[in-house]
Amino acid sequence: AQSVTQLDSHVSVSEGTPVLLRCNYSSSYSPSLFWYVQHPNKGLQLLLKYTSAATLVKGINGFEAEFKKSETSFHLTKPSAHMSDAAEYFCVVSDENFNKFYFGSGTKLNVKP
Amino acid sequence: GAVVSQHPSWVICKSGTSVKIECRSLDFQATTMFWYRQFPKQSLMLMATSNEGSKATYEQGVEKDKFLINHASLTLSTLTVTSAHPEDSSFYICSALRGALRGDTQYFGPGTRLTVL
Repeated sequence: AQSVTQLDSHVSVSEGTPVLLRCNYSSSYSPSLFWYVQHPNKGLQLLLKYTSAATLVKGINGFEAEFKKSETSFHLTKPSAHMSDAAEYFCVVSDENFNKFYFGSGTKLNVKP
Repeated sequence: GAVVSQHPSWVICKSGTSVKIECRSLDFQATTMFWYRQFPKQSLMLMATSNEGSKATYEQGVEKDKFLINHASLTLSTLTVTSAHPEDSSFYICSALRGALRGDTQYFGPGTRLTVL
């Protein structure tokens, strides 16, 4: 079975400081991993994905994530937070055969001026 | 590209009535679509996988007779909540899978908020 654990339900940073949203996964095979962002009253938007190519994945809006097999982690980072980054972020793992997505519990990012 | 729409975006209905929600992939064909449910301040829970031209596959604990799914074309899947009750009130989100390879991306609709009185 596959699952993801997002270690922090809330993260608060100041504008211009780095962002780190943590995600650990569990999978019996080489997983595909995704990060999605959900702004209030808007649909989920794909930030980036890992599918067994380069372990450092760059996404939109300056976000990136690094796949670390030894640590079973796929943490999301951004060097400098912007007010518009305030949203809920979901780490997702897909299953091997049917591309079903399993969502983490989400991390709400708050950016302070 | 890769736009998924849902209709309606918001619906209020009386207990005991049925509600149909449409999910459309606007600029690509999707053999597979998914339906999720999201409770307030919670994550998305997969309800079912909808495959064009075949029966939907439901996740454990989801009543298939209550949540009817039809995937009649490569761009349209519908979810019908039958005999809705207040506990069915939730945010329903669909997604469409673009591609057929492992790791292909799901594109999500904006969601439908259902309130059952």
